Amino acid sequence: GAGVSQTPSNKVTEKGKYVELRCDPISGHTALYWYRQSLGQGPEFLIYFQGTGAADDSGLPNDRFFAVRPEGSVSTLKIQRTERGDSAVYLCASSLISLGDTEAFFGQGTRLTVV
Amino acid sequence: AQSVTQLDSHVSVSEGTPVLLRCNYSSSYSPSLFWYVQHPNKGLQLLLKYTSAATLVKGINGFEAEFKKSETSFHLTKPSAHMSDAAEYFCVVSDREGAQKLVFGQGTRLTINP
Repeated sequence: GAGVSQTPSNKVTEKGKYVELRCDPISGHTALYWYRQSLGQGPEFLIYFQGTGAADDSGLPNDRFFAVRPEGSVSTLKIQRTERGDSAVYLCASSLISLGDTEAFFGQGTRLTVV
Repeated sequence: AQSVTQLDSHVSVSEGTPVLLRCNYSSSYSPSLFWYVQHPNKGLQLLLKYTSAATLVKGINGFEAEFKKSETSFHLTKPSAHMSDAAEYFCVVSDREGAQKLVFGQGTRLTINP
């Protein structure tokens, strides 16, 4: 597609359930990022992939959060045993190489609500 | 460590008057600096970026920003506000030689009065 695609656009889940959020980056972009944006805040970094590997996962808040990118394209953010505090908009971005040289393009996000 | 401080959480101006959104940054390395705009129910869109070339950077929709190293500032300006400029604006810093991640400010909500 022309831009970064995230599915679903909205997800409501019960506390304690497992959720998966999907990101389709722009074709050919090797770098992929996940961010989390809580209400009234700026996006916060979660994890960065270069190709298939997680080059920096220092932003993941705890071990309930995990992300994969097995073929270097689509990525899935996985959250186990969801908590109400996980409610936020989860943003995915991709860039051609790395941020120093090129722009990051953002998807419209997945709004996760944990009830 | 990098950080960004947006000095105003909310700015309100009248249509046709100048816009000034203030941003100060902190970075251990030579930074790249960006301004992103977020309209309601839309994705983040890049307005402009500074990556060590000209210190005055021109972006889309008539916006520009000036990198001032001595003041560690990267304020966003526009000579004449339009109703369509109403949105949330984020100042962002990236460490060009280190960690590959964007660090966002808290955002400034821009309201345009008719």
